Amino acid sequence: ETGVTQSPTHLIKTRGQQVTLRCSSQSGHNTVSWYQQALGQGPQFIFQYYREEENGRGNFPPRFSGLQFPNYSSELNVNALELDDSALYLCASSLEGPGNFNEQFFGPGTRLTVL
Amino acid sequence: QKEVEQDPGPLSVPEGAIVSLNCTYSNSAFQYFMWYRQYSRKGPELLMYTYSSGNKEDGRFTAQVDKSSKYISLFIRDSQPSDSATYLCAFPPGGGSYIPTFGRGTSLIVHP
Repeated sequence: ETGVTQSPTHLIKTRGQQVTLRCSSQSGHNTVSWYQQALGQGPQFIFQYYREEENGRGNFPPRFSGLQFPNYSSELNVNALELDDSALYLCASSLEGPGNFNEQFFGPGTRLTVL
Repeated sequence: QKEVEQDPGPLSVPEGAIVSLNCTYSNSAFQYFMWYRQYSRKGPELLMYTYSSGNKEDGRFTAQVDKSSKYISLFIRDSQPSDSATYLCAFPPGGGSYIPTFGRGTSLIVHP
């Protein structure tokens, strides 16, 4: 196990609703990245937070937003859910800043189903 | 043309076989190359990380990079049922961009 935890494990929402997913980083890690992994696809980078600031964003609309807290835990918020948002959402923590993807540890993910 | 091409499989092999997993990429800015293993209902875990062309070996795993052909491979020797998973190639960004790119993954099944 990597020490990165995510909650909830899975959840079901309906179109138009809002959802908050949570991630607890591995001890000592100050950088967290969020990914969306659709079924049968590789992870797609949503954004990265470093020391509570967004640092890099993939091709996702503004209804995907995040927060990183002083203890380096993190949230991913998605507003106005769409059917295509159904996916596994992964967070990954790493030490010391952007670009350190070789030291990135993934959590088990949250499976989101939008009906 | 997609930035990264990876055959989704599934690839089914008998225990003990040598497995070859491959990705092609089009972005010549990719300088680092990674392979992740993802078990069902788990997050990806890093297997191999390499920078240069050539081979890098770690136990039963060998990563091979051919930058001139934009082609990377992961070889698994003496494959075991516990190797059954999805294998993702990944390309950390360079040139000031922090957006990594993943292949779609190849599903590997090693049967006893």
